[in-house]
Amino acid sequence: DVKVTQSSRYLVKRTGEKVFLECVQDMDHENMFWYRQDPGLGLRLIYFSYDVKMKEKGDIPEGYSVSREKKERFSLILESASTNQTSMYLCASKTSGVYTGELFFGEGSRLTVL
Amino acid sequence: GDSVTQMEGPVTLSEEAFLTINCTYTATGYPSLFWYVQYPGEGLQLLLKATKADDKGSNKGFEATYRKETTSFHLEKGSVQVSDSAVYFCALTRGGADGLTFGKGTHLIIQP
Repeated sequence: DVKVTQSSRYLVKRTGEKVFLECVQDMDHENMFWYRQDPGLGLRLIYFSYDVKMKEKGDIPEGYSVSREKKERFSLILESASTNQTSMYLCASKTSGVYTGELFFGEGSRLTVL
Repeated sequence: GDSVTQMEGPVTLSEEAFLTINCTYTATGYPSLFWYVQYPGEGLQLLLKATKADDKGSNKGFEATYRKETTSFHLEKGSVQVSDSAVYFCALTRGGADGLTFGKGTHLIIQP
């Protein structure tokens, strides 16, 4: 089975702190994604990556950056956390060249910024 | 751009009731369509999918048919259980490196 692992299930940080959210997948997928989930807004795409060291902005990239130094790992970085970044963050991956485009998700990281 | 519209709920039903969650989409070409489910405290899991018009996806008693003429992919189940209580997301992709476009999710509550 495909496994997508997010390093932290729950985090509490203070405004202005730098926050790293880590995601690792074990199925050699080319494509990885970070979504943010908020009540009433559904899932919104922050950034995605289709190859090592490649990244593309999603719908809401402001206030975030990403890093993909190895194929299996995709990190989301909040350079200076703010209270409006309190949310559930979901990492996902998928392979390329498959017409179905199914995403495999991690269990999520719930971030609270005080 | 692409979009997915689904009823937001919460939808509250009694056990063994019939379930329909409506989903319509806007997209060019021929997207693949999905239903994902999120149980409390967990990430999203694929429930079912359909990749072309008139395809029917099915899993765990849930079904959805890809209707190109009405741009719809409604989720149905004949007899729901308390364990079906979750948030259900309709989504689409046109493939490639892009992620999925999601609806806002429907919170389903099944009462015993």
